[in-house]
Amino acid sequence: EVQLVESGGGLVQPGGSLRLSCAASGFTFNNYAMNWVRRAPGKGLEWVSSIGAGDDSTLYADSVKGRYTISRDNSRSTLYLQMNSLRAEDTAVYYCARKFPGSYPFDCWGQGTLVTVSS
Amino acid sequence: DIQMTQSPSSLSASVGDRVTITCRASQSISSSLNWYQQKPGKAPRLLIYTASTLQSGAPSRLSASGSGTDFILAISGLQPEDSATYYCQQSYSTPWTFGQGTKVEIK
Repeated sequence: EVQLVESGGGLVQPGGSLRLSCAASGFTFNNYAMNWVRRAPGKGLEWVSSIGAGDDSTLYADSVKGRYTISRDNSRSTLYLQMNSLRAEDTAVYYCARKFPGSYPFDCWGQGTLVTVSS
Repeated sequence: DIQMTQSPSSLSASVGDRVTITCRASQSISSSLNWYQQKPGKAPRLLIYTASTLQSGAPSRLSASGSGTDFILAISGLQPEDSATYYCQQSYSTPWTFGQGTKVEIK
């Protein structure tokens, strides 16, 4: 069974840092680009970041560029998101989602981990 | 960036009704359009990809069409379990962008 399980969310003060993890199982991890997508309270889905299947390319939404870093460990089938300089507007449920390279959809999602940025 | 606009933002319909949701892209995205369903507290679920292809496991009462800039998702014979928020998303070019969502409620 294909499974993505996020962890690492929690309460952090503005300006603080947090690292999210996403453990993948049930598929060949290094065949897929991996992504983070978030949903802020009362808002819709927002793509945050992507990393290529071979860890060779990364992309970021303008809203997080320079503050977030996406990475992956294919030997551990794990995706990461290092979040620095956190702001109140980063408060959201963060989902990891897999996507075959190219114009393919996000076809499998984790259950999400909640990040709350508040003093 | 490609902007995705959904309408309506919410709708209320009865069991058995046929409902449609429209998604418009700010530029042509060919058929690179996907639809997702999200229920409260749950992960999004892929329903339709490349504009009209039903994802394995998605109910057959769903159908979708469109290309270029205008797309439609239809639910025929609305069921109580269809109560959710639906999102369109373009996979034509980065940044990948979503519509703002359409909340479907059952009367």
